[in-house]
Order: sequence, then structure tokens, then C-alpha cells
Amino acid sequence: QQPVQSPQAVILREGEDAVINCSSSKALYSVHWYRQKHGEAPVFLMILLKGGEQKGHEKISASFNEKKQQSSLYLTASQLSYSGTYFCGTEMDSNYQLIWGAGTKLIIKP
Amino acid sequence: NAGVTQTPKFRILKIGQSMTLQCTQDMNHNYMYWYRQDPGMGLKLIYYSVGAGITDKGEVPNGYNVSRSTTEDFPLRLELAAPSQTSVYFCASSYSKGHPRGYTFGSGTRLTVV
Repeated sequence: QQPVQSPQAVILREGEDAVINCSSSKALYSVHWYRQKHGEAPVFLMILLKGGEQKGHEKISASFNEKKQQSSLYLTASQLSYSGTYFCGTEMDSNYQLIWGAGTKLIIKP
Repeated sequence: NAGVTQTPKFRILKIGQSMTLQCTQDMNHNYMYWYRQDPGMGLKLIYYSVGAGITDKGEVPNGYNVSRSTTEDFPLRLELAAPSQTSVYFCASSYSKGHPRGYTFGSGTRLTVV
């Protein structure tokens, strides 16, 4: 039931792009994306509801493919402040639980 | 607004002791959640509530209890602490399922059981 995130870790130079994927074997109601910096709480980035939409938040955007039950997070022209661990969380129609992936650690080097 | 407030921030318990982790939110959110996060891992749902008087188990409820007597408060009770309960505990809240503002998290409680 836990969504699968890939890759587990990414190392980038400042200004490079990254894609983080989140896949589920279950039909989803929504996908959440959060960023967590070391020693801090997760911070909400965006939510995508079933319907196959795409959302943007400055240089960070995401898509949700309902047929594949897969979401992707796109980080464009990465900045040092983007470093942290990115988590997806998935909700199904049938309950109120947000189940989290294992996370993708993103390291941005100057 | 204070958002989601968790207390205490740190705690060391001895095996077999009990404690209550406090969580309060001032955003009038209906939904509240308790998660634990082990080092280098994702978050695991312990319990959640969709409104005052309504609670339900999540993925890892054993060894914990909750209550929701008001919209604002959602305390987590640990009975007979065990070393396996050493973790960081996060409380979170949201308006509703699928809400565009997602979840708001407290700053966490770091618990060590020795």
C-alpha cells in the first residue's frame, strides 16, 4: 500500500533539473508532495487530485497520471534552498489516511 | 495563528513508563493525525481523527491511544513505553480530505525510551 518513490537520492549542481516519481498499486484520490529539511517538520508543497492535472509552484511543478497511478515532481533550475528530502503521500477514495513514500533525498551543490 | 503546537519537544522515558504527547491546533481543522518517523524513514500513521469524538487506527497503532474531545486537541498516549517507540512524533492537521492547503505539521516531539 505504501507508494514507491524513485530515485532514493539525487545529487545536483545548482541550476540543474530533477524529476522525482511516486507510484501506487492502488487507485488514488489524491497525491501530496512535501519537503522536509533535516531536523524539521515536513512542509506542504502541493496536492494533485484524481483527474490528471498538473500544478506549478514557482519552479516546482507536479503532474498526476490517473491511468498509471503515478505522480511526478519537477524541480527546475534547482536552488540551494531546494535541498532536503521529498516525500509523496497518497490518499485513496475509501479512507482518510495519507500513506507516505520512503522519500527522495535531494542534495544541491553550488 | 500558532498553527499546530506540540509539547514537549524532547523527552526521555524509561522502559515501562507512560506519557502523553500534546497536540493543539488553532486553525479550526476537522482532521488531525499522529505520525511517527524513524531515522531516515518516511512517516507512519499511528492514529487519526476526522472530528471531535471520532478516532481511528492508522498503520501502526499498537502501544498507543488517542482521544479527541475538542476540535483543537488531539493528545497521544503512550502506555508502557518500549525501546521500539523511540522515534520522532509529528502531529498534523487539515481542513478536509483533498484540501488544497494540504496538511500542517507541528514541530515534532523527539522521544527516546531507555
